[in-house]
Parts: sequence; C-alpha cells; structure tokens
Amino acid sequence: EAQVTQNPRYLITVTGKKLTVTCSQNMNHEYMSWYRQDPGLGLRQIYYSMNVEVTDKGDVPEGYKVSRKEKRNFPLILESPSPNQTSLYFCASSLRSLGNEQFFGPGTRLTVL
Amino acid sequence: SQQGEEDPQALSIQEGENATMNCSYKTSINNLQWYRQNSGRGLVHLILIRSNEREKHSGRLRVTLDTSKKSSSLLITASRAADTASYFCATDENQGGKLIFGQGTELSVKP
Repeated sequence: EAQVTQNPRYLITVTGKKLTVTCSQNMNHEYMSWYRQDPGLGLRQIYYSMNVEVTDKGDVPEGYKVSRKEKRNFPLILESPSPNQTSLYFCASSLRSLGNEQFFGPGTRLTVL
Repeated sequence: SQQGEEDPQALSIQEGENATMNCSYKTSINNLQWYRQNSGRGLVHLILIRSNEREKHSGRLRVTLDTSKKSSSLLITASRAADTASYFCATDENQGGKLIFGQGTELSVKP
C-alpha cells in the first residue's frame, strides 16, 4: 500500500532532550516536507527536500534539523526541544516538486514539558 | 509568511446545501491545491488547479481560480454530513519548493 509513515505517533518529552521523528515513504517520491500545525496558525512548512541530499528551509525552520540521505526517509530532528515546539507534526511527500499532490502521513503529536 | 488565506474561517450548513470556501493569496503562483483534513488526521489532497486553468471539477467539487484577483474558490455541491472537515488551500511560490497553507475553513454539515 502506498503510504507515508511517521513514528512515533505520540511523544511526550522534556525540554532539552534530543529527539527524532522518522518519516518514510514507499512511493519513490522525490519531494518530501515537514509541517507543523498549531491552532489558529494552520500548517507551516518547517523544511523540505527536493531530492536526496538536497534540503531547504521552510517558513519556520528554527530549532529543527533534517537530513535526506536516502530517497525514502526524511527524519526531523529536534536537538534541544522547547515547549514552544509542542505541536502536531506532519510529513508529506510528492512525486516531484509542487506540481503534484502531496501525500501526508498520519501525524505526530509532540508535547514538550 | 501567510500566502493562502481562507474565508470564512467556519461554515455551518444543512445536508444537501452547497458550501463555498474562498482562498486568497499574495504572490504569483504556478498552481493552487485544496486539501481536506478530518479532525487531527493527515491532510488528503482534493484537487490541483494550475495557473493557466480557470475551473476544474472533480465529482461534487468545483474549483475556480482567478489569477488577476489572486483568489480561488472551492464549491462542494449537495453536501453530506461526511463532508464535515477542515479545508485548506495551498499555494506554491514561483521560485523554490515552498508550499504555503492557509489557516483553513472549518465546515460543519448538519444532517
């Protein structure tokens, strides 16, 4: 089944404890992206990747890192999480860049205490 | 930066009625997409309209795009209770790979 998977789905952590949210797609998509969703702010793009080894900042990249070493995986890394990073995170992928529909993962609900 | 902005923020209608949501954006675009989200779940792609298209249909969905006014509308005809969800427009920028979402319209369809 074609899909985007994210892990974990739910995470409660403490300030400063490094964490990684994994994202994987099985559709051989070139474009992958991370978003965060907050009440009243909609979805905001954190980072995106047009292909392997190519990553670029979205609108809210501060406090996040990403890597794209292989086509199928695009992990989101929070080196030192803070409470303002408490949010619902979505990974998405599309065949190529933005002229194609994005397939979204199920979301990761992160709480930083 | 906030590119797509939806209007209204919330819409409540009866089953069978039509629902219209609007999206405005600020910069030139290559295409505009509409997505649907059921509460707390991942977004699902509904329709993509390119900048050289004016109207597109998909089942009960009709999307229009007016590039001179930098606006788009999504019409859902003969709405059903199952259409209850949040609807987002998303626009690209002419350069780069950013995709910018609006804040969404929360649609409630009462049976």
